[in-house]
Amino acid sequence: EVQLVESGGGLVQPGRSLRLSCAASGFTFDDYAMHWVRQAPGKGLEWVSGINWNSDSIGYADSVKGRFTISRDDAKNSLYLQMNSLRAEDTALYYCAKDGGSGDYIDALDIWGQGTMVTVSS
Amino acid sequence: EIVMTQSPATLSVSPGERATLSCRASQSVSSNLAWYQQKPGQAPRLLIYGASTRATGIPARFSGSGSGTEFTLTISSLQSEDFAVYYCQQYNIWPLTFGGGTKVEIK
Repeated sequence: EVQLVESGGGLVQPGRSLRLSCAASGFTFDDYAMHWVRQAPGKGLEWVSGINWNSDSIGYADSVKGRFTISRDDAKNSLYLQMNSLRAEDTALYYCAKDGGSGDYIDALDIWGQGTMVTVSS
Repeated sequence: EIVMTQSPATLSVSPGERATLSCRASQSVSSNLAWYQQKPGQAPRLLIYGASTRATGIPARFSGSGSGTEFTLTISSLQSEDFAVYYCQQYNIWPLTFGGGTKVEIK
């Protein structure tokens, strides 16, 4: 079964850091790009960051550029999001999502985890 | 970045009726357009990719059309399980961007 399981969320004070993890199983992880998408309470979906299959193409939303860093460890079938200088507006449910395209081809997000909640508050 | 605009924000439809949802891109995204369904408390689910191809396991009552900047998701005969929020998303260029969503509610 193809599965993505996020972890690492929690309550954090403004200005502090948090690292999210996503454990993948059921598919050849290193063949696919991966993404982080977030959803603030009661709001829509916002793409946060993506990384291609070999980590040589990485993108970020303007809202997190310079503060968040995406990475992957193919040996551990894991995706990460290092979040620094957190703000109240970063409060959201963070989803890990698998890209449907293999290699350098970017496609729709075909598999999603259940998300991990990040709350930034003093 | 490419701005995705969905309309209407809310669509009230009776079970068995047809629903038509629209999505417009601020510049051409070719056919690199996906539709997702999200129910309360659940992760989004991919419905359509490539503007018109149904994802695995998606019923035939869901269909997508369009290219360039104008796209449509049609649900031919709404079932009770179809009442949800629907998002379009372009993956033509990074940053990937989503529309604001259309909530399909029971009339």
